[in-house]
Amino acid sequence: QQQVKQSPQSLIVQKGGIPIINCAYENTAFDYFPWYQQFPGKGPALLIAIRPDVSEKKEGRFTISFNKSAKQFSLHIMDSQPGDSATYFCAATSSNDYKLSFGAGTTVTVRA
Amino acid sequence: DAGVTQSPTHLIKTRGQQVTLRCSPISGHKSVSWYQQVLGQGPQFIFQYYEKEERGRGNFPDRFSARQFPNYSSELNVNALLLGDSALYLCASSLVWDTDYEQYFGPGTRLTVT
Repeated sequence: QQQVKQSPQSLIVQKGGIPIINCAYENTAFDYFPWYQQFPGKGPALLIAIRPDVSEKKEGRFTISFNKSAKQFSLHIMDSQPGDSATYFCAATSSNDYKLSFGAGTTVTVRA
Repeated sequence: DAGVTQSPTHLIKTRGQQVTLRCSPISGHKSVSWYQQVLGQGPQFIFQYYEKEERGRGNFPDRFSARQFPNYSSELNVNALLLGDSALYLCASSLVWDTDYEQYFGPGTRLTVT
């Protein structure tokens, strides 16, 4: 069973738009939530991560919002560029085992 | 600095055969994890190794096995291949096992079973 549910499956935005990807989890033992970016034919690359004691984290044009009570977190890509077109995965893990549970992925297309 | 390296890049095998995939972690990293990524899905955890010992195993059959060597490199073995084993096999390394959350992935090995 999928421990992390991710939506939408795909989305298309114009350059400069803000794609938003949402994830939800059930396991309250999860205490680290990374986002990975994957280009075709490549392995996932760590983009940004957040822990549940913080409600928001920004790194460059990427922002994670975290809602601990709702067990939800999301990725916003500000001022999106065509080079941001990729598949994005949310994931979660805990200090119990450090194994990553991934969402199903969101394919983002940024049109020029 | 070199990232995680994996070999081979691509592999085509026949049902029933056996395959060995190899991974070299980032220099200084002592923990290696293996994931299977079926086309269109997120990676699924298979194994985690630290200091040559298995620290975690995902929900995969016993046909899947792995080991870690003294230089921290690792091999993933899959016996009696099935068509459903066709996937991208990813290796990820981290500094240690029990205090380090950040995992860095290699480019993967694309396995096709015919």
